[in-house]
Amino acid sequence: DAKTTQPPSMDCAEGRAANLPCNHSTISGNEYVYWYRQIHSQGPQYIIHGLKNNETNEMASLIITEDRKSSTLILPHATLRDTAVYYCIVRPFHQGFNKFYFGSGTKLNVKP
Amino acid sequence: SQTIHQWPATLVQPVGSPLSLECTVEGTSNPNLYWYRQAAGRGLQLLFYSVGIGQISSEVPQNLSASRPQDRQFILSSKKLLLSDSGFYLCAWSQREEGEQFFGPGTRLTVL
Repeated sequence: DAKTTQPPSMDCAEGRAANLPCNHSTISGNEYVYWYRQIHSQGPQYIIHGLKNNETNEMASLIITEDRKSSTLILPHATLRDTAVYYCIVRPFHQGFNKFYFGSGTKLNVKP
Repeated sequence: SQTIHQWPATLVQPVGSPLSLECTVEGTSNPNLYWYRQAAGRGLQLLFYSVGIGQISSEVPQNLSASRPQDRQFILSSKKLLLSDSGFYLCAWSQREEGEQFFGPGTRLTVL
């Protein structure tokens, strides 16, 4: 079952940074933090993942606290196309197989 | 590059009718394959996963079954659909040794 807590919804102005929080206070040492998003009526899209270090790619940045009990996904310049449900998932790494549990996520509304 | 296909995109079926949804992956070999269902306004629920041809694991008991007749083909079936089978069905794949899952476009099933 999902082991993360996210706010159900957030608003963000177009062009501003969107900071999406996630609480995973029971995370284990071998569990990664993953972020996906789902635009309406489409399949989820992988965004980024990390273990303990902050990560950045062309889509977003992932900031993980030092105790790893929470993280923040940052979309540096949100656009209307970033309106979606964002899922934060913790998942252990098992060689040869992996399993994700998706919770309810955060509905991000980017407004003009 | 890898691509994942699902068909049909939408489907309307009467209660008690059979179901067959197909998913195929291109550009990779020996993928892990997954079926998820998303009820309206809900998160994703993992239904089945497969680590190889003929190897199927079920996450929840239900009216559905899955098969993997070929390495890159995953089929979701039912002998008799129920109203509660309505939802958005998503197929996903991942490499055995890597974390991310990549999702297909989904099939929206309505059972009347």
